[in-house]
Amino acid sequence: AQSVTQLDSQVPVFEEAPVELRCNYSSSVSVYLFWYVQYPNQGLQLLLKYLSGSTLVKGINGFEAEFNKSQTSFHLRKPSVHISDTAEYFCAVSGAVGGQAGTALIFGKGTTLSVSS
Amino acid sequence: KAGVTQTPRYLIKTRGQQVTLSCSPISGHRSVSWYQQTPGQGLQFLFEYFSETQRNKGNFPGRFSGRQFSNSRSEMNVSTLELGDSALYLCASSAGTSGSEQYFGPGTRLTVT
Repeated sequence: AQSVTQLDSQVPVFEEAPVELRCNYSSSVSVYLFWYVQYPNQGLQLLLKYLSGSTLVKGINGFEAEFNKSQTSFHLRKPSVHISDTAEYFCAVSGAVGGQAGTALIFGKGTTLSVSS
Repeated sequence: KAGVTQTPRYLIKTRGQQVTLSCSPISGHRSVSWYQQTPGQGLQFLFEYFSETQRNKGNFPGRFSGRQFSNSRSEMNVSTLELGDSALYLCASSAGTSGSEQYFGPGTRLTVT
């Protein structure tokens, strides 16, 4: 079975500071990893994804993430955040659910990023 | 390219009633997945349809069902509504291949009273 753990439920930071949102996954098979962002009263938007290849993945809005297979982690980083980055961030793994292949996403509980001035 | 659309956006139902939610995927996408989002349980996978067949199912009771039509539009139905079914229901479409990106709709906010 696959699972995703987001280690921080809330992360408060000041504008222009760097931020890291932590994500650990558990899987017995190869996985695809994703970070999504959700703004209030909206659906989810893909920030970046790791399928294979380079372990450093760059996404939209200046975000990047590093896949670490030995530590089963996929932490999200941004060197300098803006007020507009305030949102909820979800780490997800894609793969088999209930033993069946498919594209189902298993999400972590989410991390609320609050950026203040 | 039009995004994923969901109707209705908001819905209020009474306990015991049933409800049908609709999702229109991005043109050309053959996979539609449904998710339930609640403050307590977070985002949970309900089921995935691919070419009119349910390909994957999450751990939800049989009151939750779905279907997909030949044009890839999908509906989900919840029968005998319970207060705990109050949630944001999100639909996502994708090409359906492993690792393919899922594009989410804005969701339907269901409130059960």
